[in-house]
Amino acid sequence: DSGVTQTPKHLITATGQRVTLRCSPRSGDLSVYWYQQSLDQGLQFLIHYYNGEERAKGNILERFSAQQFPDLHSELNLSSLELGDSALYFCASSPPGRANQPQHFGDGTRLSIL
Amino acid sequence: KNQVEQSPQSLIILEGKNCTLQCNYTVSPFSNLRWYKQDTGRGPVSLTIMTFSENTKSNGRYTATLDADTKQSSLHITASQLSDSASYICVVSAQLGTYKYIFGTGTRLKVLA
Repeated sequence: DSGVTQTPKHLITATGQRVTLRCSPRSGDLSVYWYQQSLDQGLQFLIHYYNGEERAKGNILERFSAQQFPDLHSELNLSSLELGDSALYFCASSPPGRANQPQHFGDGTRLSIL
Repeated sequence: KNQVEQSPQSLIILEGKNCTLQCNYTVSPFSNLRWYKQDTGRGPVSLTIMTFSENTKSNGRYTATLDADTKQSSLHITASQLSDSASYICVVSAQLGTYKYIFGTGTRLKVLA
């Protein structure tokens, strides 16, 4: 158990809809990262938050947004969903300190768009 | 273009044997290189993290090497076990103002009894 909790584990919805994925980081970790893993593109980095502030952006679509709250949990919002958004969405957290800290991943939210 | 390539795509070995997985990258400017193990349906688990100045790092039966000059890394698994069956993913971090993470497509390892 990595200590990172993601909810829900599975989500099935239709095209055009909006969903929110939630992540609770490990106790003491200030950084939260979001990743997308699809069959055709592998793992991709989406966005990184540190103590409530956005730190880095990767290949995150404009239809997607994220935030980290004062209690350090994070939410990834996906809107105007398309079939291609079907994927596993992972959250990871890491402790404060040097940039080379290990990231601890949750077990993901599997999003299926019908 | 920043890219990470892993080889082989898949590998089958017998329990108890050793194996080596390769990772070549063209990421610049390089910050660090990570190896992850990912079991099917689970999140990746960190094995090693290496910076530019580190040549070798071990984590139990896993040993990673890094040659920053040739931009190559390898992950050596010693005395493989059935539980080593998983995907192994190489990730290179680039510091371009902020950090970016570029993932390889992974090597799928199957260990047979």
